[in-house]
Parts: sequence; C-alpha cells; structure tokens
Amino acid sequence: DTGVSQNPRHKITKRGQNVTFRCDPISEHNRLYWYRQTLGQGPEFLTYFQNEAQLEKSRLLSDRFSAERPKGSFSTLEIQRTEQGDSAMYLCASSNRGSLETQYFGPGTRLLVL
Amino acid sequence: DAKTTQPTSMDCAEGRAANLPCNHSTISGNEYVYWYRQIHSQGPQYIIHGLKNNETNEMASLIITEDRKSSTLILPHATLRDTAVYYCIVRVVDGAGNMLTFGGGTRLMVKP
Repeated sequence: DTGVSQNPRHKITKRGQNVTFRCDPISEHNRLYWYRQTLGQGPEFLTYFQNEAQLEKSRLLSDRFSAERPKGSFSTLEIQRTEQGDSAMYLCASSNRGSLETQYFGPGTRLLVL
Repeated sequence: DAKTTQPTSMDCAEGRAANLPCNHSTISGNEYVYWYRQIHSQGPQYIIHGLKNNETNEMASLIITEDRKSSTLILPHATLRDTAVYYCIVRVVDGAGNMLTFGGGTRLMVKP
C-alpha cells in the first residue's frame, strides 16, 4: 500500500513529557500537512510543508510544537512538555501540486496525555 | 471558519440512495467543492471534488447547482460501511498549497 502512513498509531504519555510523531507521505507528493482533531470536532490545520520548507503555521501551533521535514520526504511533529489539552488525534496529509492538490490523509496518531 | 453549512445528522436505509446537502452561498469563482468522509477513528477519506460541473466516480456523485451556492453528494446504494461523518469543504486551488477548513460535517447513519 503506498498511502500516507503515520507512526505510532497510539501514544499515551504523562503530562510534561515530550512526544514525537512521524508521517510518511505518498511518494512523490511534495506537500505535507499536519492537522489536529479533538473529540467531536473536525480536523484543524496546524502547518504545512512544500518539500522541506515549512510555509505556513497556524496560531494553534504553540511554541511547544515543532515540525520538520528535513529531506522533503517524511515529517516529524514534536510536542514538548505535553499538557492534557494536547490530547487529540494528529493527522497527516499529503498532496501533489500538479494534481489539483487533493490531500490524502493518513490514519492518524491518537495522543492521550495523562 | 468553515464556509459551508451541513445538517448535523442524517439517516439512510441500507441499499437506498443517500443524498447529503451542503450550502456554500459565499463560494468564490476559484473555489472548488470537496467532499471527505471520516469513519470512526480513521483519517478522513477523499471522496470527490468539483468546480461547477457535476462529477461522478466509483464512490459517489456530486451535483453542484448552477449558481454554485449549494451541492449534494449522492451515495447511490448506501451500505452499512458508509456510516461516517461527511465533510463538505470549499477550497481555493491556486497552486499555493491551501489547507482544508473542516466544519462539523454530517453524521450519516446507514441502517439495515
């Protein structure tokens, strides 16, 4: 299967710990997006990359959040000093600029902060 | 904020057509209508998109009104596996990598 993959699928951590999530986009997709989804709500945009450049960040992305896409392939999203309010599903999507930019989503990483 | 309005929930009998409406009265000329769905605990799944013409693929049909202020997603023969939250999204496609802005969506329950 060559879809978007995310790891881990689930993460339980204690408040104050750091966590890192990984997203592997569809190969040859040059755009990669991160979204966050809390229970009962639709996904909300966090940030996006075109190749290795981070081009846009939402105000939801506080200083404790950092995202990278070092070689323009996979991406990581790190949350430092986690808080209970960070508990959510973190979704990754990728798109190809040349195909009307339809975004395809991964299965998500569900984070629970205790 | 989402630029679309959808009913909160709908029911449909298995085997019947499911017609999901969406209002987007402030849509701009360069904005497409996209539909995604999200089955419980999974990532959103792309269904279909259109600009002004009706579109059909293996999953669904998209009917866009002539004034483009509303659209309807049609699942011709709904199955239990179509139970999901369906999101209607309007989005500019101009090469700038625009994000998707999700609203609350419509929770479709397909019943036996």
